[in-house]
Amino acid sequence: EDKVVQSPLSLVVHEGDTVTLNCSYEVTNFRSLLWYKQEKKAPTFLFMLTSSGIEKKSGRLSSILDKKELFSILNITATQTGDSAVYLCAVEDRRTYKYIFGTGTRLKVLA
Amino acid sequence: GAVVSQHPSRVICKSGTSVKIECRSLDFQATTMFWYRQFPKQSLMLMATSNEGSKATYEQGVEKDKFLINHASLTLSTLTVTSAHPEDSSFYICSARDGTTNEKLFFGSGTQLSVL
Repeated sequence: EDKVVQSPLSLVVHEGDTVTLNCSYEVTNFRSLLWYKQEKKAPTFLFMLTSSGIEKKSGRLSSILDKKELFSILNITATQTGDSAVYLCAVEDRRTYKYIFGTGTRLKVLA
Repeated sequence: GAVVSQHPSRVICKSGTSVKIECRSLDFQATTMFWYRQFPKQSLMLMATSNEGSKATYEQGVEKDKFLINHASLTLSTLTVTSAHPEDSSFYICSARDGTTNEKLFFGSGTQLSVL
Protein backbone atom coordinates (compact mmCIF):
# COMPACT_ATOMS: atom_id res chain seq x y z
CA GLU A 1 0.00 0.00 0.00
CA ASP A 2 1.26 3.43 -0.94
CA LYS A 3 2.13 5.70 1.95
CA VAL A 4 3.73 9.01 2.81
CA VAL A 5 5.32 9.52 6.21
CA GLN A 6 6.36 12.86 7.64
CA SER A 7 8.60 13.55 10.58
CA PRO A 8 8.67 14.97 13.10
CA LEU A 9 4.96 15.11 13.83
CA SER A 10 5.43 18.34 15.70
CA LEU A 11 8.20 20.79 16.37
CA VAL A 12 8.63 23.85 18.56
CA VAL A 13 11.47 26.26 17.80
CA HIS A 14 12.43 29.84 18.51
CA GLU A 15 12.51 32.65 16.00
CA GLY A 16 15.71 32.61 14.02
CA ASP A 17 16.19 28.86 14.22
CA THR A 18 16.54 26.69 11.13
CA VAL A 19 14.27 23.69 10.77
CA THR A 20 14.30 20.64 8.52
CA LEU A 21 11.11 18.75 7.86
CA ASN A 22 11.21 15.26 6.44
CA CYS A 23 8.95 13.39 4.06
CA SER A 24 9.56 9.79 3.05
CA TYR A 25 7.36 7.88 0.68
CA GLU A 26 6.55 4.49 -0.70
CA VAL A 27 4.54 5.12 -3.84
CA THR A 28 4.79 2.67 -6.67
CA ASN A 29 3.90 5.06 -9.47
CA PHE A 30 5.58 8.26 -8.40
CA ARG A 31 4.97 11.36 -10.49
CA SER A 32 5.74 14.31 -8.25
CA LEU A 33 6.07 15.38 -4.63
CA LEU A 34 4.47 18.55 -3.36
CA TRP A 35 4.82 20.58 -0.19
CA TYR A 36 1.97 22.65 1.21
CA LYS A 37 1.59 24.98 4.16
CA GLN A 38 -1.70 24.85 6.03
CA GLU A 39 -2.36 27.56 8.56
CA LYS A 40 -6.06 27.61 9.25
CA LYS A 41 -7.97 26.51 6.22
CA ALA A 42 -6.79 25.89 2.70
CA PRO A 43 -3.30 24.47 2.19
CA THR A 44 -1.18 26.82 0.14
CA PHE A 45 1.27 25.50 -2.40
CA LEU A 46 4.98 25.75 -1.66
CA PHE A 47 6.95 23.48 -3.98
CA MET A 48 6.55 20.74 -6.53
CA LEU A 49 9.48 18.39 -7.04
CA THR A 50 9.89 15.88 -9.82
CA SER A 51 13.63 15.45 -10.26
CA SER A 52 16.26 14.29 -7.80
CA GLY A 53 18.93 16.61 -6.54
CA ILE A 54 17.51 19.89 -7.81
CA GLU A 55 16.90 22.29 -4.98
CA LYS A 56 13.93 24.58 -5.19
CA LYS A 57 14.07 27.84 -3.26
CA SER A 58 11.59 30.49 -2.33
CA GLY A 59 12.91 33.05 0.10
CA ARG A 60 13.80 31.32 3.33
CA LEU A 61 12.26 28.03 2.23
CA SER A 62 13.96 25.40 0.16
CA SER A 63 13.28 21.81 -0.72
CA ILE A 64 14.98 18.92 -2.40
CA LEU A 65 14.00 15.44 -3.53
CA ASP A 66 15.95 12.17 -3.45
CA LYS A 67 14.19 9.66 -5.68
CA LYS A 68 16.71 6.95 -4.93
CA GLU A 69 16.20 7.05 -1.19
CA LEU A 70 12.56 8.07 -1.57
CA PHE A 71 12.45 11.18 0.55
CA SER A 72 12.29 14.93 0.46
CA ILE A 73 13.22 17.62 2.94
CA LEU A 74 11.82 21.08 3.46
CA ASN A 75 14.18 23.59 5.05
CA ILE A 76 13.16 26.84 6.64
CA THR A 77 15.94 29.19 7.68
CA ALA A 78 15.66 32.14 10.07
CA THR A 79 12.20 31.04 11.14
CA GLN A 80 9.56 33.61 12.01
CA THR A 81 6.34 33.31 14.00
CA GLY A 82 4.46 33.52 10.71
CA ASP A 83 5.99 30.20 9.71
CA SER A 84 3.89 28.49 12.38
CA ALA A 85 1.64 26.09 10.51
CA VAL A 86 1.14 22.49 9.52
CA TYR A 87 3.38 21.50 6.63
CA LEU A 88 1.95 18.81 4.41
CA CYS A 89 3.79 16.60 1.98
CA ALA A 90 1.91 14.88 -0.84
CA VAL A 91 2.97 12.45 -3.53
CA GLU A 92 1.13 12.22 -6.82
CA ASP A 93 0.45 8.84 -8.38
CA ARG A 94 1.10 9.02 -12.12
CA ARG A 95 -1.47 6.37 -12.95
CA THR A 96 -4.41 7.71 -11.00
CA TYR A 97 -3.29 11.33 -10.58
CA LYS A 98 -4.35 11.03 -6.96
CA TYR A 99 -2.37 12.71 -4.22
CA ILE A 100 -1.37 10.79 -1.13
CA PHE A 101 -0.87 13.06 1.84
CA GLY A 102 1.36 12.56 4.83
CA THR A 103 0.15 13.27 8.34
CA GLY A 104 1.85 16.65 8.35
CA THR A 105 4.37 18.31 10.61
CA ARG A 106 2.99 20.88 13.02
CA LEU A 107 5.55 23.67 13.40
CA LYS A 108 5.31 26.28 16.11
CA VAL A 109 7.76 29.17 16.12
CA LEU A 110 8.02 31.06 19.39
CA ALA A 111 8.89 34.74 19.51
CA GLY B 1 -2.48 32.40 -9.58
CA ALA B 2 -5.18 29.79 -9.79
CA VAL B 3 -8.07 30.22 -7.40
CA VAL B 4 -10.50 27.65 -6.11
CA SER B 5 -13.58 28.96 -4.37
CA GLN B 6 -15.47 26.78 -1.89
CA HIS B 7 -18.81 27.60 -0.29
CA PRO B 8 -20.10 27.69 2.31
CA SER B 9 -17.16 28.10 4.65
CA ARG B 10 -19.17 26.99 7.63
CA VAL B 11 -22.50 25.25 8.01
CA ILE B 12 -24.44 24.06 11.01
CA CYS B 13 -27.37 21.77 10.36
CA LYS B 14 -29.75 19.45 12.12
CA SER B 15 -29.34 15.72 11.99
CA GLY B 16 -31.16 14.22 9.01
CA THR B 17 -30.83 17.19 6.71
CA SER B 18 -28.72 17.36 3.55
CA VAL B 19 -25.95 19.83 2.97
CA LYS B 20 -24.47 20.87 -0.37
CA ILE B 21 -20.94 22.18 -0.69
CA GLU B 22 -19.76 23.88 -3.87
CA CYS B 23 -16.28 24.01 -5.28
CA ARG B 24 -15.48 26.28 -8.21
CA SER B 25 -12.31 26.88 -10.14
CA LEU B 26 -12.37 30.59 -10.91
CA ASP B 27 -9.74 31.11 -13.55
CA PHE B 28 -8.97 27.70 -14.98
CA GLN B 29 -10.74 24.61 -16.18
CA ALA B 30 -10.59 21.76 -13.72
CA THR B 31 -11.01 18.41 -15.40
CA THR B 32 -10.42 16.70 -12.08
CA MET B 33 -11.45 17.76 -8.62
CA PHE B 34 -10.75 15.96 -5.37
CA TRP B 35 -12.77 15.99 -2.19
CA TYR B 36 -11.00 15.53 1.13
CA ARG B 37 -12.08 15.24 4.70
CA GLN B 38 -9.89 16.42 7.54
CA PHE B 39 -10.33 15.69 11.23
CA PRO B 40 -8.71 17.95 13.83
CA LYS B 41 -4.93 17.66 13.85
CA GLN B 42 -5.00 15.01 11.16
CA SER B 43 -4.03 15.01 7.54
CA LEU B 44 -6.24 15.15 4.49
CA MET B 45 -8.15 11.99 3.73
CA LEU B 46 -9.20 11.57 0.12
CA MET B 47 -12.89 10.81 -0.18
CA ALA B 48 -13.44 10.81 -3.91
CA THR B 49 -12.14 11.91 -7.27
CA SER B 50 -14.54 13.88 -9.40
CA ASN B 51 -14.12 13.97 -13.17
CA GLU B 52 -16.10 16.33 -15.36
CA GLY B 53 -18.92 14.58 -17.15
CA SER B 54 -18.47 11.20 -15.51
CA LYS B 55 -19.20 9.46 -12.25
CA ALA B 56 -17.02 10.14 -9.27
CA THR B 57 -14.57 7.53 -8.05
CA TYR B 58 -14.91 6.91 -4.35
CA GLU B 59 -12.19 5.72 -2.00
CA GLN B 60 -12.64 2.56 -0.05
CA GLY B 61 -14.91 3.02 2.91
CA VAL B 62 -16.61 6.16 1.60
CA GLU B 63 -20.34 5.70 1.03
CA LYS B 64 -21.28 6.98 -2.39
CA ASP B 65 -24.94 7.25 -1.46
CA LYS B 66 -24.04 9.30 1.56
CA PHE B 67 -21.63 11.67 -0.16
CA LEU B 68 -23.05 12.57 -3.55
CA ILE B 69 -20.61 14.20 -5.93
CA ASN B 70 -21.53 15.97 -9.11
CA HIS B 71 -19.05 17.50 -11.55
CA ALA B 72 -21.36 18.95 -14.17
CA SER B 73 -18.97 21.47 -15.68
CA LEU B 74 -15.27 22.15 -15.98
CA THR B 75 -15.46 24.74 -13.24
CA LEU B 76 -17.90 23.32 -10.71
CA SER B 77 -18.08 20.26 -8.51
CA THR B 78 -20.51 19.77 -5.66
CA LEU B 79 -20.50 17.47 -2.65
CA THR B 80 -23.83 16.75 -0.98
CA VAL B 81 -23.80 15.15 2.43
CA THR B 82 -27.16 13.40 2.56
CA SER B 83 -29.07 12.74 5.78
CA ALA B 84 -26.24 14.18 7.81
CA HIS B 85 -25.44 12.78 11.23
CA PRO B 86 -23.19 14.13 14.00
CA GLU B 87 -20.41 11.77 12.94
CA ASP B 88 -20.32 13.54 9.58
CA SER B 89 -19.17 16.69 11.33
CA SER B 90 -15.78 17.48 9.89
CA PHE B 91 -13.76 19.85 7.75
CA TYR B 92 -14.36 19.16 4.05
CA ILE B 93 -11.99 20.59 1.50
CA CYS B 94 -11.96 20.43 -2.25
CA SER B 95 -9.07 20.74 -4.61
CA ALA B 96 -8.75 21.12 -8.33
CA ARG B 97 -6.12 20.36 -10.88
CA ASP B 98 -5.55 22.80 -13.72
CA GLY B 99 -6.58 20.89 -16.82
CA THR B 100 -4.20 22.72 -19.14
CA THR B 101 -1.00 22.38 -17.17
CA ASN B 102 -2.07 19.22 -15.34
CA GLU B 103 0.22 20.20 -12.53
CA LYS B 104 -0.19 21.29 -8.97
CA LEU B 105 -3.24 21.00 -6.90
CA PHE B 106 -5.11 24.09 -5.77
CA PHE B 107 -7.28 23.99 -2.69
CA GLY B 108 -10.54 25.61 -1.75
CA SER B 109 -10.80 27.27 1.64
CA GLY B 110 -12.73 24.38 3.13
CA THR B 111 -16.13 23.91 4.75
CA GLN B 112 -16.54 23.23 8.44
CA LEU B 113 -19.66 21.11 8.83
CA SER B 114 -21.26 20.74 12.22
CA VAL B 115 -24.24 18.42 12.51
CA LEU B 116 -26.32 18.82 15.67
